[in-house]
Amino acid sequence: GAVVSQHPSWVICKSGTSVKIECRSLDFQATTMFWYRQFPKQSLMLMATSNEGSKATYEQGVEKDKFLINHASLTLSTLTVTSAHPEDSSFYICSARESVAVWLAKNIQYFGAGTRLSVL
Amino acid sequence: QKEVEQNSGPLSVPEGAIASLNCTYSDRGSQSFFWYRQYSGKSPELIMFIYSNGDKEDGRFTAQLNKASQYVSLLIRDSQPSDSATYLCAVPAWGTASKLTFGTGTRLQVTL
Repeated sequence: GAVVSQHPSWVICKSGTSVKIECRSLDFQATTMFWYRQFPKQSLMLMATSNEGSKATYEQGVEKDKFLINHASLTLSTLTVTSAHPEDSSFYICSARESVAVWLAKNIQYFGAGTRLSVL
Repeated sequence: QKEVEQNSGPLSVPEGAIASLNCTYSDRGSQSFFWYRQYSGKSPELIMFIYSNGDKEDGRFTAQLNKASQYVSLLIRDSQPSDSATYLCAVPAWGTASKLTFGTGTRLQVTL
């Protein structure tokens, strides 16, 4: 159980184009999903918290107009990198937290496989 | 002081030995603790979580909590080369029920 699917696994795009990344919880409902970015040899950096049916909450320093997040259902959140530039090249990882979970497990995050973005 | 701190390593242990990974946290009120393993180029996967009421063992993995000193440990018995990875410690962020604060991770190398 607790499988999170992320698509695509890698993408190469030209500078100035937009890229959409999908994150799906396959066997559970996720009111809350998270989007992280990780540069080589660095730790995870939380970009935003995605809440089903409401606006995402962005971390300080993350441009909300550049990284558009939509969480329209309990099993799907999308991250769109708008007008991507080479500095946006990174490993983007989503995670999902079960909506209905025992009290002990309420903070468990299950990660997708990640999307490697290369902007030329 | 960072909320969650880990020694970046690398921690090198021979195959078959016990690997001990430590993580210190700043929020004395933290109640749950998570260990994730991340292979190079891959996303994190949950190894285990513990609550503040005691240690936990799962196969070759044991998580131990020392609340007085505010650190949590992950012990890996009979270490295997396949255990070579970065181990991330995570604690719920202060003031929120959902966000996790991750440490920078400890890189473990199990040598033959």
